Amino acid sequence: EDQVTQSPEALRLQEGESSSLNCSYTVSGLRGLFWYRQDPGKGPEFLFTLYSAGEEKEKERLKATLTKKESFLHITAPKPEDSATYLCAVNNNAGNMLTFGGGTRLMVKP
Amino acid sequence: DGGITQSPKYLFRKEGQNVTLSCEQNLNHDAMYWYRQDPGQGLRLIYYSQIVNDFQKGDIAEGYSVSREKKESFPLTVTSAQKNPTAFYLCAAGRGAGTEAFFGQGTRLTVV
Repeated sequence: EDQVTQSPEALRLQEGESSSLNCSYTVSGLRGLFWYRQDPGKGPEFLFTLYSAGEEKEKERLKATLTKKESFLHITAPKPEDSATYLCAVNNNAGNMLTFGGGTRLMVKP
Repeated sequence: DGGITQSPKYLFRKEGQNVTLSCEQNLNHDAMYWYRQDPGQGLRLIYYSQIVNDFQKGDIAEGYSVSREKKESFPLTVTSAQKNPTAFYLCAAGRGAGTEAFFGQGTRLTVV
C-alpha cells in the first residue's frame, strides 16, 4: 500500500525567510510525484510533476526536487500570498489514482 | 473556459436522504476521480473511472455510488448508508497513469 507523509504539518515563516517542505513516500513503483497548492475552500491547484530521482522543477519562488525516498518543495524568499496548504501525491505503476499526503499548511507573515 | 465544474458549491442534506453531486469536465480527459477531504486532512479517494462505463472503488467507497455514462460527466451520489457524509468533495480529471489530475472547486456537503 502506498504511503505519503508530509512534514511539518504547519510552518510559520516571516516574509523573505526561505524554507523547505518535505514529502516522504513509500510506493510500489513510482510513476509520478505531484505537488499541489490548496487555498482555503478551494480545489487543489497543480504545481509540479516529478518522475525520477534527481529531477527538479521550478516556478517563481518554488522549486521541487525528488530523491528515491522523498521530495522537497523549497520556497525562496516567500511572500504572504504564498500562504496556503501544499499537498504532495504519488501515482504508482499499478493504476491511475493519486495517493495524497496530509499536507503542510504554510503561513507567511509580512 | 476550460476545466472541471462542480455543482453546487454548497449543499445541505437531511439525514436519511440521498444526494447527487455533479462533476463536468471539458478537458477531454479519460480519467476522472472523486476525493473526500475532511478538515485539516489530506484527500482520500472515493471512486475513480479510467474510461466511460467503467469505474473502480477507492479507499472509502462505502456509502457512495457513481456512474460514467459520458466522458465529460462523473456524478457522485452520497447515499443514506454513508455514516459521516459532512465533508468537502473534490472531483478531478486527468489523462491517466503517471500524469497530473486537475481539480474542480469542490462541493461542501453538510448534513443537517
